[in-house]
This record gives sequence, C-alpha cells and structure tokens, in this order.
Amino acid sequence: KNEVEQSPQNLTAQEGEFITINCSYSVGISALHWLQQHPGGGIVSLFMLSSGKKKHGRLIATINIQEKHSSLHITASHPRDSAVYICAVRITGNQFYFGTGTSLTVIP
Amino acid sequence: KAGVTQTPRYLIKTRGQQVTLSCSPISGHRSVSWYQQTPGQGLQFLFEYFSETQRNKGNFPGRFSGRQFSNSRSEMNVSTLELGDSALYLCASSLGTGSNEQFFGPGTRLTVL
Repeated sequence: KNEVEQSPQNLTAQEGEFITINCSYSVGISALHWLQQHPGGGIVSLFMLSSGKKKHGRLIATINIQEKHSSLHITASHPRDSAVYICAVRITGNQFYFGTGTSLTVIP
Repeated sequence: KAGVTQTPRYLIKTRGQQVTLSCSPISGHRSVSWYQQTPGQGLQFLFEYFSETQRNKGNFPGRFSGRQFSNSRSEMNVSTLELGDSALYLCASSLGTGSNEQFFGPGTRLTVL
C-alpha cells in the first residue's frame, strides 16, 4: 500500500498546454512538498504547502487537507519543464513519504 | 552561499563491502536528511539528523547507519553491501526540522557489483 499516490505516471504535452499533476495521500501530514527532478538526479523543491494555494511563475500548487489531495499545475508549458515531478508528504520532522513521480515531456 | 555537496558522486563497490558517503549541508543548516532512490522503490526516507542526534529513521535494516558532526556535516554508512543497495543516495539540508524547505544535494550514485 502506497501512502502517496500520484497520477498520471507519464505525461506528454505540446508546448503551451496547461498541465495538471495530481497527488493523493492517506496519512496525516504536517506539509506537502512538490519536487522537480531533472535527468542526472538533481532535485529542486518547488513548493511547500500546508493549506490553500501557492504560485510561482507559471507553476501553481494547491492542497485540500480535508480531501487529502494536492495538484500541481503548469501553465503555458515549455520544453524546459520536462522533468520528473514528485509529491512528498512530511510526516514528522523531515521524515517524508514520496509519490512515485510523474515523468513530464513537453514537445516543442 | 554554497549548496549542499555530496562526496563521492559515483562509487562502485562489490557485495559484502562497506561504504561511507558524505554530505556537507548549506552553511547554517542544522538538519540533514538522507534518502535512497531506486527505479523500483522510488525515493525512500533513510534518516534525519539534527544537532548531532538522529531524529527520525525510515524502515531500513541496521546495515544502514549515519552520524552527524558538530559542524553539521553528515555521513551515512552501509555495511555488508547487497546488490539491492545500488541506488542514488541523496541528502538534503534545512535550517531546522519539521517546518523548513529542504535543499537537496546532487546525490551519490552507488553501484554494487
């Protein structure tokens, strides 16, 4: 049983499309993070959420604590957005459960 | 400010050997967490150290251990290596524990033959 489920696993989009990646979790959390991992392994933290909505450039992240669900949206997608996006839920301290990731490819 | 650094970046070992990986956090960060990433299991939490004390531990066997020094640098050790230990090992640092953004290092890719 996975504590964190992400969908879709793989996503191919045309440049300019609006993209949504979903994350559902089954445990109590103190925060939810969205991470981006490029080929080669480097991970960057995009958002840390405990409620509501956050926006950074073309990226928007929302969380619904009651429904235990979060979404990551990318507006006007660009080939440089191609990466693996990982949902991570913080249980306690810096202990996390991770989703399996969504591999996004944006085609020019 | 320098980012999180990990050494070595690549490592090849054989079964039964032991290995030590090093992580230097961002200056001023006191929490260091370690993660294992494999194609089959994805990212999994290993342990977290804060002020030289292990704060949390994931579900890994006792062959996996770690420590943190007074300058916040951290090491993790894997003894009696198994083929399944082949993975990307990532560390991340944060100011404190529980409420801060984490900054990830580039990882150490361990191959066990």
